[in-house]
Amino acid sequence: GESVGLHLPTLSVQEGDNSIINCAYSNSASDYFIWYKQESGKGPQFIIDIRSNMDKRQGQRVTVLLNKTVKHLSLQIAATQPGDSAVYFCAENTGFQKLVFGTGTRLLVSP
Amino acid sequence: EAGVAQSPRYKIIEKRQSVAFWCNPISGHATLYWYQQILGQGPKLLIQFQNNGVVDDSQLPKDRFSAERLKGVDSTLKIQPAKLEDSAVYLCASSAGPVTEAFFGQGTRLTVV
Repeated sequence: GESVGLHLPTLSVQEGDNSIINCAYSNSASDYFIWYKQESGKGPQFIIDIRSNMDKRQGQRVTVLLNKTVKHLSLQIAATQPGDSAVYFCAENTGFQKLVFGTGTRLLVSP
Repeated sequence: EAGVAQSPRYKIIEKRQSVAFWCNPISGHATLYWYQQILGQGPKLLIQFQNNGVVDDSQLPKDRFSAERLKGVDSTLKIQPAKLEDSAVYLCASSAGPVTEAFFGQGTRLTVV
């Protein structure tokens, strides 16, 4: 079936660096993409989303880029902080408000 | 605003036993989701309710899993009988509108031994 996957299972960065987390999706009909952050012992927390009619969206310290040609999504975190350490999931809305989550990337931020 | 409440936080049972999880969504949220998250994987949708009606249960193992949302508010998810592979975190989420506004609870960690 259709699925969403991630390229890197673990990303280690130094505090203050910029982080880039990548995601590949396979459902060309998906029209909405979301990045979630999940800290240990907690449920996923919404970070930022983007619609398929956009290629870039910015939030506070975060930017999501969407490349529909190669079905690729990325999350950029500027000036990464220790509090950003978590597992990050990309998810796609395949229609009917059904979210399909990827496997996740663990971000480790060293002080 | 109170968040999505789930109980219990942890549960350990033996295989073939039954277990039930409870979820209280954010007040006024019409849509309620149950997800299963196996360690190291992303959440997988089990069932989605709109008010008290089922919108999607295509990935719910109906031979052992059941869920209900009486009166369109609280929801319970039941497993009977449990298998070892059911060990996971069960997440409940709710939303008032589009799925991106879904708020997740802390989840129930189930261990089947």
